[in-house]
Amino acid sequence: AQKVTQAQTEISVVEKEDVTLDCVYETRDTTYYLFWYKQPPSGELVFLIRRNSFDEQNEISGRYSWNFQKSTSSFNFTITASQVVDSAVYFCALSGPFRGASKLTFGTGTRLQVML
Amino acid sequence: ETGVTQTPRHLVMGMTNKKSLKCEQHLGHNAMYWYKQSAKKPLELMFVYNFKEQTENNSVPSRFSPECPNSSHLFLHLHTLQPEDSALYLCASSQGREGNTIYFGEGSWLTVV
Repeated sequence: AQKVTQAQTEISVVEKEDVTLDCVYETRDTTYYLFWYKQPPSGELVFLIRRNSFDEQNEISGRYSWNFQKSTSSFNFTITASQVVDSAVYFCALSGPFRGASKLTFGTGTRLQVML
Repeated sequence: ETGVTQTPRHLVMGMTNKKSLKCEQHLGHNAMYWYKQSAKKPLELMFVYNFKEQTENNSVPSRFSPECPNSSHLFLHLHTLQPEDSALYLCASSQGREGNTIYFGEGSWLTVV
């Protein structure tokens, strides 16, 4: 069975602070995919990143960076110099082998509040 | 502008009503999904369609009835719902291969009174 744990329910930071959102996953599959999504108050889940289990390189995209460590089964997300527009719920998700489509297991989400 | 469009965005219905949620994707994908997001619960996969064939029904009650007439359109027909069915219903699509990115619509906020 697959499982994703986001232990941080809610985080509050002041604008321009750096913040790291934790994600720990469990799977028996050797091939799997990890995702991060952002959900603003409007409801839409916005795709941020996809990483496959064979690619452990960290990734940076502007103020966003991701640290994938198979040894600890973690896929953490860091926002540098946070902004008010970053306030949202962030979900980590895991997809394993599934016949012909993706099947995501989501964590419970981390609500990030960035204050002025 | 999202590549996955859902209508209506908000719906209030009585327990004896019949209504439908509609989803359309403009991304050329083959797979479409319905997810349910309730307060204080993780996102739950409800149904998966791949090339118009249903490949997953995650033990969803029969008062929810999906329909996928083609790879671009997905419906969720609702009848005799319960107040606990009130939630955000998210439609999504992806290319029909394992591990491909799933793109979500803005969701339909459903309230059952």
